[in-house]
Amino acid sequence: GDKVKQSPSALSLQEGTNSALRCNFSIAATTVQWFLQNPRGSLINLFYLVPGTKENGRLKSTFNSKESYSTLHIRDAQLEDSGTYFCAAEAGNYAQGLTFGLGTRVSVFP
Amino acid sequence: GGIITQTPKFLIGQEGQKLTLKCQQNFNHDTMYWYRQDSGKGLRLIYYSITENDLQKGDLSEGYDASREKKSSFSLTVTSAQKNEMAVFLCASSRTGGALEQYFGPGTRLTVL
Repeated sequence: GDKVKQSPSALSLQEGTNSALRCNFSIAATTVQWFLQNPRGSLINLFYLVPGTKENGRLKSTFNSKESYSTLHIRDAQLEDSGTYFCAAEAGNYAQGLTFGLGTRVSVFP
Repeated sequence: GGIITQTPKFLIGQEGQKLTLKCQQNFNHDTMYWYRQDSGKGLRLIYYSITENDLQKGDLSEGYDASREKKSSFSLTVTSAQKNEMAVFLCASSRTGGALEQYFGPGTRLTVL
């Protein structure tokens, strides 16, 4: 978890509110992935990023390689957004495995 | 699209036992990976393979062997299970170059008695 630091470690959100999760990298990340791990343990792909920004529905993610961070914004949080969010970085332009953060546990309440 | 399947879903072993986990993918990806996830933690890389018969060690390879029998399958062996060990082992696949997005299987949950 030291090479990829996620914050906060846990987050409690009321339905309908917005929030942001962050990852800071101490490795030379070239691409970043964001996943949601659901209560059954399955990893759901949210974003795959080269430097830049992507948006999908109520989720938006940015990867800034020069400043070594990535963010995930959740807009209008819904109950089904609950779970653990992981960011993971690849360092290099060829496959060599992801380095994961320790995750942010998100709980959305009515 | 594609799918990654892992067998078995649950694996219970005895201390010192050799245990094998299997993974199959139909994405036609060249690269496959094995990760370990301990309770409440992130994933750590055990082994990966960029082509058939290739093996590359990750940070956590000690205590494990792996085998890439063919492009679509990748096996992981726990060489000597440790008592009270509990973890989930996740298999993934990706291309080798270009877009490296990894896709994950559902996991194998290991319990050692």
